[in-house]
Amino acid sequence: SAVISQKPSRDICQRGTSLTIQCQVDSQVTMMFWYRQQPGQSLTLIATANQGSEATYESGFVIDKFPISRPNLTFSTLTVSNMSPEDSSIYLCSVDWFHGYTFGSGTRLTVV
Amino acid sequence: AQSVSQHNHHVILSEAASLELGCNYSYGGTVNLFWYVQYPGQHLQLLLKYFSGDPLVKGIKGFEAEFIKSKFSFNLRKPSVQWSDTAEYFCAVNADSGNTPLVFGKGTRLSVIA
Repeated sequence: SAVISQKPSRDICQRGTSLTIQCQVDSQVTMMFWYRQQPGQSLTLIATANQGSEATYESGFVIDKFPISRPNLTFSTLTVSNMSPEDSSIYLCSVDWFHGYTFGSGTRLTVV
Repeated sequence: AQSVSQHNHHVILSEAASLELGCNYSYGGTVNLFWYVQYPGQHLQLLLKYFSGDPLVKGIKGFEAEFIKSKFSFNLRKPSVQWSDTAEYFCAVNADSGNTPLVFGKGTRLSVIA
């Protein structure tokens, strides 16, 4: 299966600042998916990132708050902008590798 | 759009008890179904998945799940749980059209006590 390297693994950030999360896949994939897991909650899809086009955002998530880059078939970044304590969550990327979804190890973000 | 319901928020079992966690999905087309486990402090791990064929799917760690199409269900079972099965369990579904994201249920927390 594909292997995803995600970083940083955790960070503590001041409110009003931004954090960029990186995901590197060891194989070329068409789509990458970004999820958020709030404390004690399930995973919620933020957006789908397709190489060469703008990401598609789910209801409740906007590009200005969560800009995504997908410069090539193995890499993507998610930025959490103008952070507030409500953004404290685990953020994960995922790829569909021959119908075996693989997840990054997650970025645990705490906003203070 | 797909949606997933997991009926049990928190299940507490004694070791050696049998486990069944409910999962129902809503979608009019063909779906793929998954169960993931998240141990405390760890990331998601795939337990099993169903795409087609035998509706009884066997996964890792002695888990199995049965797809009942008429009931839109994909319940997870294990005949005898262990303390190490304490974790959060997530049911997920995606449309069978390739490269579509997973939609997750809210999860069921399983606590196994000695």
